[in-house]
Amino acid sequence: DAKTTQPPSMDCAEGRAANLPCNHSTISGNEYVYWYRQIHSQGPQYIIHGLKNNETNEMASLIITEDRKSSTLILPHATLRDTAVYYCIVRVAGGDDKIIFGKGTRLHILP
Amino acid sequence: SAVISQKPSRDICQRGTSLTIQCQVDSQVTMMFWYRQQPGQSLTLIATANQGSEATYESGFVIDKFPISRPNLTFSTLTVSNMSPEDSSIYLCSVGVDNYGYTFGSGTRLTVV
Repeated sequence: DAKTTQPPSMDCAEGRAANLPCNHSTISGNEYVYWYRQIHSQGPQYIIHGLKNNETNEMASLIITEDRKSSTLILPHATLRDTAVYYCIVRVAGGDDKIIFGKGTRLHILP
Repeated sequence: SAVISQKPSRDICQRGTSLTIQCQVDSQVTMMFWYRQQPGQSLTLIATANQGSEATYESGFVIDKFPISRPNLTFSTLTVSNMSPEDSSIYLCSVGVDNYGYTFGSGTRLTVV
């Protein structure tokens, strides 16, 4: 079973920040939180990952709670091209462990 | 991150036939993973392919239906055997990459008629 839970769908107005939550209450101390997105049945695309500190890159920001049991992916200025399914995954960095996908969140960006 | 070339990108096959999907990586990797994505669903792991040993299959998937080869550290194939319309899905290969988690191929969209 997937180690994360996410809301099945969310809407966000174009130009606004999209905040996607993820619960990972059983995360281990050496597991990172990774976010991917899948646009229209293409292969999933890496977005960002983090261990316990907040992270930011050119695509998004990742906020991880102090107890690491949940996180939020933030797309600061959502565009129509951000419409996709977003997956939150936990894994050990650098490992070859298999990853099990949850159902993800289908994000709709509204014009 | 690693670059994966997956072929074919799509195919339409007759029921009862088999299709072999190829996955080529531009660097040597220990593990390769094969996923299935049925219409409107999330990705489901089929098996893990380790070079030099038999693939490890997830519950609900068997070697006779989905034989996998892993002849070297940059290449793997997945065969979908004796196909039925229920096998119509997108099949994806993936490899682990240290800083980016996993990289995925662009997928093979299979339609069985």
